[in-house]
Amino acid sequence: KAGVTQTPRYLIKTRGQQVTLSCSPISGHRSVSWYQQTPGQGLQFLFEYFSETQRNKGNFPGRFSGRQFSNSRSEMNVSTLELGDSALYLCASSSGAKNIQYFGAGTRLSVL
Amino acid sequence: EDQVTQSPEALRLQEGESSSLNCSYTVSGLRGLFWYRQDPGKGPEFLFTLYSAGEEKEKERLKATLTKKESFLHITAPKPEDSATYLCAVRASGGSYIPTFGRGTSLIVHP
Repeated sequence: KAGVTQTPRYLIKTRGQQVTLSCSPISGHRSVSWYQQTPGQGLQFLFEYFSETQRNKGNFPGRFSGRQFSNSRSEMNVSTLELGDSALYLCASSSGAKNIQYFGAGTRLSVL
Repeated sequence: EDQVTQSPEALRLQEGESSSLNCSYTVSGLRGLFWYRQDPGKGPEFLFTLYSAGEEKEKERLKATLTKKESFLHITAPKPEDSATYLCAVRASGGSYIPTFGRGTSLIVHP
């Protein structure tokens, strides 16, 4: 079974631009969560989608948004990029009662 | 509010020198405690889930244990390839399914 796939792996953007990250979950997983990971803050939860609906949301500004498609693939968008948005963005998919999250390799975003 | 504290922040061991990593948690009803391993530049890799006090899980040189307030990840006779950051996360009963992560312990094993 293929794991969680995130694209692209690396991105370099400048302040004020916007960016879209993509995540393909493990086949059969309907829940997709997004996290931001930085050395200073660790893993911080952004939002979770389940069956195309946002089920949970973390404490991030509205510049961060996401969506999920009918095939469970998910995208995350960040508008008006700031230097502080530089981070590793991780996607995780899960399924079932145990709800174990399986992570992708992440997208490394650098904002210059 | 759910809280997870991991200690130490960093740990250096010699190959073969056994040790333990700690994960202390405060949660209103534990639904599961998760251990992950993360290598630099990669996503966390799932290791174990523990659900109730007294439970233990083992995988190769790693053994995870759980009490009502903390979990330990014991590393027996570590090898350099065990070097990684180890993350602990808890999920509370009720509410969202989203786990709360600790900041991790960075482990370096010297040959």
